[in-house]
Amino acid sequence: QSALTQPPSASGSPGQSVTISCTGTSSDVGDYNYVSWYQQLPGKAPKIMIFEVSKRPSGVPDRFSGSKSGNTASLTVSGLQAEDEADYYCTSYAGSSNFVFGTGTKVTVL
Amino acid sequence: QVRLVQSGAEVKKPGASVKVSCKASGYTFTSYNIHWVRQAPGQGLEWMGIINPSGGSTTYVQKLQGRVTMTRDTSTSTVYMELSSLTSEDTAVFYCVRESSGGTRALAYWGQGALVTVSS
Repeated sequence: QSALTQPPSASGSPGQSVTISCTGTSSDVGDYNYVSWYQQLPGKAPKIMIFEVSKRPSGVPDRFSGSKSGNTASLTVSGLQAEDEADYYCTSYAGSSNFVFGTGTKVTVL
Repeated sequence: QVRLVQSGAEVKKPGASVKVSCKASGYTFTSYNIHWVRQAPGQGLEWMGIINPSGGSTTYVQKLQGRVTMTRDTSTSTVYMELSSLTSEDTAVFYCVRESSGGTRALAYWGQGALVTVSS
């Protein structure tokens, strides 16, 4: 299966919002509500930020939100903070116990 | 608390195999699927496959089928990922990851990663 498509980079000033897209197909993102988002700081393991399209695990700030329309999921970070600067990856269930990651987006806080 | 502790860094020659371990603790080992994810230097995350520790069933990403084997030892709560016929393109950090509870298919708990370097 092919990787989900994300923009290579996104940026915003502190306090602004940034939205990252994650485009798949009708066999993964479009067919299942099992889209998750992960934040990866340099040299660290990824951390889950959103699961099942729009749910936040406990401890994740409500500045992080997720949505989905058709074959494209999105992660929005509102009220950007310096600590949000990281790489972000989406992933989707693709059926028959298969999963696929997105290509990753580097978020820069200007 | 949930912990996944992986084996240490390895250096392998091209053509060799590597076996990375992942010891789980803090929960019932057989109740949650474990995934393996790898990340080449400076690159993105790549899903490799999944093992159900209860019955041992596995699913592998198509590009690695024939080269990857995931197993588990329920007596020690450890899962293993073996990758054979290594090339330089297999140089990566390998993570084991446990799904969250509730059937969400989310990758909630990550091991610390194990760097495998393939070099002649």
